[in-house]
Amino acid sequence: ETGVTQSPTHLIKTRGQQVTLRCSSQSGHNTVSWYQQALGQGPQFIFQYYREEENGRGNFPPRFSGLQFPNYSSELNVNALELDDSALYLCASSLYRGAQETQYFGPGTRLLVL
Amino acid sequence: GDSVTQMEGPVTLSEEAFLTINCTYTATGYPSLFWYVQYPGEGLQLLLKATKADDKGSNKGFEATYRKETTSFHLEKGSVQVSDSAVYFCALPPSSGGSNYKLTFGKGTLLTVNP
Repeated sequence: ETGVTQSPTHLIKTRGQQVTLRCSSQSGHNTVSWYQQALGQGPQFIFQYYREEENGRGNFPPRFSGLQFPNYSSELNVNALELDDSALYLCASSLYRGAQETQYFGPGTRLLVL
Repeated sequence: GDSVTQMEGPVTLSEEAFLTINCTYTATGYPSLFWYVQYPGEGLQLLLKATKADDKGSNKGFEATYRKETTSFHLEKGSVQVSDSAVYFCALPPSSGGSNYKLTFGKGTLLTVNP
């Protein structure tokens, strides 16, 4: 139990639709990162938020966007869904943003795009 | 750039067998190294970590030693249990500094332990 929760657990969308995934971090954790894990692969970094500002981004297009709120919750938004967006989406929070900090992962949201 | 190469599975063992999962990395500095575990239907959990060369991380009977000379961080367990069945990921944070805490993961190794 990491104290990080995500909703919904599963989601089915059709190509071209938009989706919002939610994450609730551990209390006091001001850094949240989002990862995409395709089937059979390791997680790929999407972006990170620190104190409600984007703090770095992986190799994902602008249709992937996020928000972080003062109450330690955050969102991942994906517009114009494509079939390849089908994956497990993980959020991870940490107390600080330093390289030595442990990231605590939520259970993930499994997205299927038809 | 930074990268992680992890032994590909799947790995199937009998209970009480010895486990080794190989992990090597490429990085410009000397980053911390992590092993994460993903049980079926769950997110990732930190299994163990090492923050500098020659450090040994350990947890739940698993061990891994940070070997700078071979750029490796192999995961070992002397006697596996059925409950260890999971996917194991080797990971490293950025070695180039900065404030962006992006973890780079290996592809994962599926371990199945049979009774």
